[in-house]
Amino acid sequence: GENVEQHPSTLSVQEGDSAVIKCTYSDSASNYFPWYKQELGKRPQLIIDIRSNVGEKKDQRIAVTLNKTAKHFSLHITETQPEDSAVYFCAASRGSWGKFQFGAGTQVVVTP
Amino acid sequence: NAGVTQTPKFQVLKTGQSMTLQCAQDMNHNSMYWYRQDPGMGLRLIYYSASEGTTDKGEVPNGYNVSRLNKREFSLRLESAAPSQTSVYFCASSASGTSTDTQYFGPGTRLTVL
Repeated sequence: GENVEQHPSTLSVQEGDSAVIKCTYSDSASNYFPWYKQELGKRPQLIIDIRSNVGEKKDQRIAVTLNKTAKHFSLHITETQPEDSAVYFCAASRGSWGKFQFGAGTQVVVTP
Repeated sequence: NAGVTQTPKFQVLKTGQSMTLQCAQDMNHNSMYWYRQDPGMGLRLIYYSASEGTTDKGEVPNGYNVSRLNKREFSLRLESAAPSQTSVYFCASSASGTSTDTQYFGPGTRLTVL
């Protein structure tokens, strides 16, 4: 089955700096890669996603890149702000049904 | 429009007790899911229901049963709780259940088994 590895497990950045989280997946048939943000004690919420026919997608300060050949995708957050502090999860899915395989998560701490 | 709701928010059980976690969505979604979240392990799929009347096992189904009561509701039952089932449980739903469909999560149930 699909296996998703996520790095780093924790990331501390200064406010205003950029943060990058990387995920690798094992199943070359995976075709959808969402990123979820989970604030402390809250539910995971989708922040951005990318499909396998696209190499990059941006939404204001966040962007996701996909390298299908190397089977990895990354989340980029620019000009980080304290409200970006949260746990971020990547996921990959394939096939007919939405059976996501999630990464273990990255705790991002933005310090003023 | 409440989205995905779950009850209860918190629960403490003793080993061997049973309980049912309830989930409901008001977005007219076809597919629903149950995940558990443990520290350092992300979200793992327990069971899912691609459409009303169908359920299938996910990655970690042992010790759990599910019921898709109708299109809105999907319940998760622990027949004989064990300490290893201490976790945060999330229900999710998606419109069509296809692999590229966004999943929307409920607020979670924090379960402790003593």
